[in-house]
Amino acid sequence: DQQVKQNSPSLSVQEGRISILNCDYTNSMFDYFLWYKKYPAEGPTFLISISSIKDKNEDGRFTVFLNKSAKHLSLHIVPSQPGDSAVYFCAASNTGTASKLTFGTGTRLQVTL
Amino acid sequence: DVKVTQSSRYLVKRTGEKVFLECVQDMDHENMFWYRQDPGLGLRLIYFSYDVKMKEKGDIPEGYSVSREKKERFSLILESASTNQTSMYLCASSLGARMSASDTQYFGPGTRLTVL
Repeated sequence: DQQVKQNSPSLSVQEGRISILNCDYTNSMFDYFLWYKKYPAEGPTFLISISSIKDKNEDGRFTVFLNKSAKHLSLHIVPSQPGDSAVYFCAASNTGTASKLTFGTGTRLQVTL
Repeated sequence: DVKVTQSSRYLVKRTGEKVFLECVQDMDHENMFWYRQDPGLGLRLIYFSYDVKMKEKGDIPEGYSVSREKKERFSLILESASTNQTSMYLCASSLGARMSASDTQYFGPGTRLTVL
């Protein structure tokens, strides 16, 4: 039972354009959401997070939007750069379960020149 | 900078062998985690630990066990390796506070295990 889903396995975007990565979840107990980025042969690294009390969080070129009623979040990268090419994982947590994360299946982003 | 290290980047073992994967973190984190990453399945939690000598099952604990004798070290054990345990294994640690912006999980580089 996949509680966190990323329905697009891959995405290709031109340099300078916006990248939008989507994530859906089914567990209404989730109240904290994160995005991780993973390069080949490296472990995932934390990118940005959002609490369920907010609907938007921004950090430089990265913005995460949360729509609780739709159980949907998205990561926007503007402008996209070639160095953003990586696999992006969405993750969710219930703050009552002490840091345990449930990850999505990942979306491979390729930013082309 | 948080550093999470894993004992091997690549490992090849035979079916039935006992396999130890070691993970060490240097930031005095309370929580440690073991995941496996498979194509199309993302990261799945195998086991985690809140404290020394404490462990909790994750989503896919079957065929695995763990050991945490010291705070900085968390070991994943495959008692009798099988071919379906061929995977990328990732270790992570986090500070241990209730989930907040500061309780990020930091990952090691991963161990790619092949079971023949």
